[in-house]
Amino acid sequence: DQQVKQNSPSLSVQEGRISILNCDYTNSMFDYFLWYKKYPAEGPTFLISISSIKDKNEDGRFTVFLNKSAKHLSLHIVPSQPGDSAVYFCAGLTGGGNKLTFGTGTQLKVEL
Amino acid sequence: EADIYQTPRYLVIGTGKKITLECSQTMGHDKMYWYQQDPGMELHLIHYSYGVNSTEKGDLSSESTVSRIRTEHFPLTLESARPSHTSQYLCASSEFSGHEDGYTFGSGTRLTVV
Repeated sequence: DQQVKQNSPSLSVQEGRISILNCDYTNSMFDYFLWYKKYPAEGPTFLISISSIKDKNEDGRFTVFLNKSAKHLSLHIVPSQPGDSAVYFCAGLTGGGNKLTFGTGTQLKVEL
Repeated sequence: EADIYQTPRYLVIGTGKKITLECSQTMGHDKMYWYQQDPGMELHLIHYSYGVNSTEKGDLSSESTVSRIRTEHFPLTLESARPSHTSQYLCASSEFSGHEDGYTFGSGTRLTVV
């Protein structure tokens, strides 16, 4: 039972344009949603989070939108840079911060 | 500068060997976690700890064991490695709630059992 789904395994975007990474979830008990970025042979790095009671959170070039009725969230990166090329994981947090459930990831490639 | 350290980064070992993957953090976090990730797949929680002498199994069944004798140290042990244990193992730690700064992950250990 996959509680967090990222249906697009890969995404290619031109430098300077917007990258939109999508995530769907089935577990209504998630308190927070987090996005992580992962380079090959490294551990995931935390990017941004959003509370389940909010619909938007912004941090620099990164904005996360949450549509609770649709159980859908998205990460917008504007403008996209070549250094943003990595795998992006969506994750849901439950149990007072005790349990983080990950999606399968989306490989973002930002081309020059 | 990493505040959570995993060693070794890469390990190739023969079937039946006992191995210990090391994980240490310098942030004083009470909560620590072990995740397992196969290529192109999600990260699966296999063990977690809320503090010293506390260990719990995660969602994914694993033949590995963990211990938490010191706050900063959370090693994972496989008593008898098998090819099915080939994977990447990621250690993480977090503050109380884990959402303001997320979990801090180590660089991982890529284990290959031949």
